[in-house]
Amino acid sequence: KAGVTQTPRYLIKTRGQQVTLSCSPISGHRSVSWYQQTPGQGLQFLFEYFSETQRNKGNFPGRFSGRQFSNSRSEMNVSTLELGDSALYLCASSREGPPQETQYFGPGTRLLVL
Amino acid sequence: TQLLEQSPQFLSIQEGENLTVYCNSSSVFSSLQWYRQEPGEGPVLLVTVVTGGEVKKLKRLTFQFGDARKDSSLHITAAQPGDTGLYLCAGPASGGYQKVTFGTGTKLQVIP
Repeated sequence: KAGVTQTPRYLIKTRGQQVTLSCSPISGHRSVSWYQQTPGQGLQFLFEYFSETQRNKGNFPGRFSGRQFSNSRSEMNVSTLELGDSALYLCASSREGPPQETQYFGPGTRLLVL
Repeated sequence: TQLLEQSPQFLSIQEGENLTVYCNSSSVFSSLQWYRQEPGEGPVLLVTVVTGGEVKKLKRLTFQFGDARKDSSLHITAAQPGDTGLYLCAGPASGGYQKVTFGTGTKLQVIP
């Protein structure tokens, strides 16, 4: 079956702009989690959605938001971009959610903020 | 905040050598997972350990969960270039069951 897909794969934005990233989970998976990965901070949890509801949120400012649609596809939005938002953004899907279920990660969207 | 500290941070070894990567915390985890991430890809789950003292083997990889469930180790026997990648441990964070905390990571390079 098809894996987790993320679009776009690469993105360049300037400070102050906003960006929307998309994640399509594996068919049948209802949980989607988002992570930010940077060389300095490593892989950090942003939020997790299940059946269109956010169940948990990491320690990120309100500029980071997300949503999930009825077909389980998810988007995350970052408003008023800052240089420090440059990172690899990963999404992961599972049937019922981590940690009890295996998460399958997409290849990520690499965001560069200039 | 539960932290997972991994050591070493970087490791460069010759093909055929053995190595051990450590994942330590001051907090108790109900389970720990190990992932491997290759450049340009997302992490891939290798194993989940759930019982203190548990040992799991995956071909040349041996994973151990500490008796107190505060630490874990990954031992690779006769490393191969295909083992090159970023190794991450992860566990459920406090403050929410679906919230996952990842370790600081160990970047392994196996030189042919």
